[in-house]
Amino acid sequence: DAGVTQTPRHEVAEKGQTIILKCEPVSGHNDLFWYRQTKIQGLELLSYFRSKSLMEDGGAFKDRFKAEMLNSSFSTLKIQPTEPKDSAVYLCASSPSAETLYFGSGTRLTVL
Amino acid sequence: GDSVTQKQGQVTLSEDDFLFINCTYSTTTYPTLLWYVQYPGQGPQLLLKVTTANNKGISRGFEATYDKGTTSFHLQKASVQESDSAVYFCALVMDSNYQLIWGSGTKLIIKP
Repeated sequence: DAGVTQTPRHEVAEKGQTIILKCEPVSGHNDLFWYRQTKIQGLELLSYFRSKSLMEDGGAFKDRFKAEMLNSSFSTLKIQPTEPKDSAVYLCASSPSAETLYFGSGTRLTVL
Repeated sequence: GDSVTQKQGQVTLSEDDFLFINCTYSTTTYPTLLWYVQYPGQGPQLLLKVTTANNKGISRGFEATYDKGTTSFHLQKASVQESDSAVYFCALVMDSNYQLIWGSGTKLIIKP
């Protein structure tokens, strides 16, 4: 079975640019999550979708981060405009239940 | 609020040593407790789940136990191998059906 696919694996952006990260969840999973991972903050939830409906929009991340799920097999995370503090690994995960998240390998974002 | 504390930021062992990682939690209910493992370059993956019903889980040589009295849960392995080098996260699943509460992670380093 195909796992969660994230593209690109690495992204380098200049401050102020707009970047879009992509995620293809496991087929049949109803839940999709976007997380940010840093050494300092650990795993932070950015967005959560259930059956394509946005359930959680990440609170403090709302202003420059926007996740969308146009269909059940594809999601995007847009960061606009990027700032150096956004440098992190962005992880997408899908789930058939609340406990078992299947993560992609992540996109490592560097903002200069 | 609900929280998880994982105080061991890094553990360094030699092959065949005994591994013990501890997490403590704070919540008003008896949650399901999870252990995830993250290998370099990958997203976290579920290693073990422990519920109030079973108090213990075993997978791939790892054992997780749940101590409601001390509100803590542990991950242990009798004899670690170099392939166990990874970051181990504990997490809670609360009554809300979507958000995990994550520990900060313990990096396991196995000395050759």
